[in-house]
Amino acid sequence: KAGVTQTPRYLIKTRGQQVTLSCSPISGHRSVSWYQQTPGQGLQFLFEYFSETQRNKGNFPGRFSGRQFSNSRSEMNVSTLELGDSALYLCASSLMWTENTEAFFGQGTRLTVV
Amino acid sequence: AQTVTQSQPEMSVQDAETVTLSCTYDTSENNYYLFWYKQPPSRQMILVIRQEAYKQQNATENRFSVNFQKAAKSFSLKISDSQLGDTAMYFCAFTAAGSYQLTFGKGTKLSVIP
Repeated sequence: KAGVTQTPRYLIKTRGQQVTLSCSPISGHRSVSWYQQTPGQGLQFLFEYFSETQRNKGNFPGRFSGRQFSNSRSEMNVSTLELGDSALYLCASSLMWTENTEAFFGQGTRLTVV
Repeated sequence: AQTVTQSQPEMSVQDAETVTLSCTYDTSENNYYLFWYKQPPSRQMILVIRQEAYKQQNATENRFSVNFQKAAKSFSLKISDSQLGDTAMYFCAFTAAGSYQLTFGKGTKLSVIP
C-alpha cells in the first residue's frame, strides 16, 4: 500500500511569505503528526491531529498552524516566514496513535527561506 | 518535560562487526515507550525497534537489540553483523502514555565501512 506522501518535496520561499505543506497519510490511518528537523535543534514536535482534532501542540509560535480534513489528509501552514524556519518538515501517520502503534514517516518537505 | 540524550554524534563500524549506540533519557513518567529510528540519506524515518517501559525483557528485531536499563534511564541499541545498508542517522525517541508525541535525541550518525 502507498506510504505517507508529503508535497511538495522541496520549496523555496522569501522571508515574510507564507507556506502550506501537505501530508497524505497511509490509507486508514487517522492520526497525523508533524515534526520540524533542523541541524541545530534536531527533531521537534509541532502538532498531532486525530479525526480532525488537534490533540497536542509543541512549543512553536502561533505562526505555525495546521489542520486535518475528514479524509485524514493534513496541512500545516507557516505564516510570515523567517530564515530560521528553514528546515525539513516531516509528517508521520499512524492508525490511532497509541504508544503501541507504529508511526510511519513521509520523506519530508525541505523548506528553504531566503 | 522529557529529554533524550545521545552522546555519540558520530560512530563508525566495520561491516560484519557489532556496534552499540547509546541513549539516556529523563522523565518523571512511569508509563512510557522508547524507540530507535533510522534515517538514511533518503530522509525517511524508519522504526527499527520499540521497547515498552513496563516490560523487563529487552526487545530484539533480527540483528537489532536493545539494552534497556530502567533504573539508569538508559536505552542502548546494539547492531550485530553490521551491513552497508545500516549506514544512517539513528535517533532514540521517547513517548509517554497519552502524550501523542515523540521526543527525539539529536541523533548518532553511523557509518558502516566496507
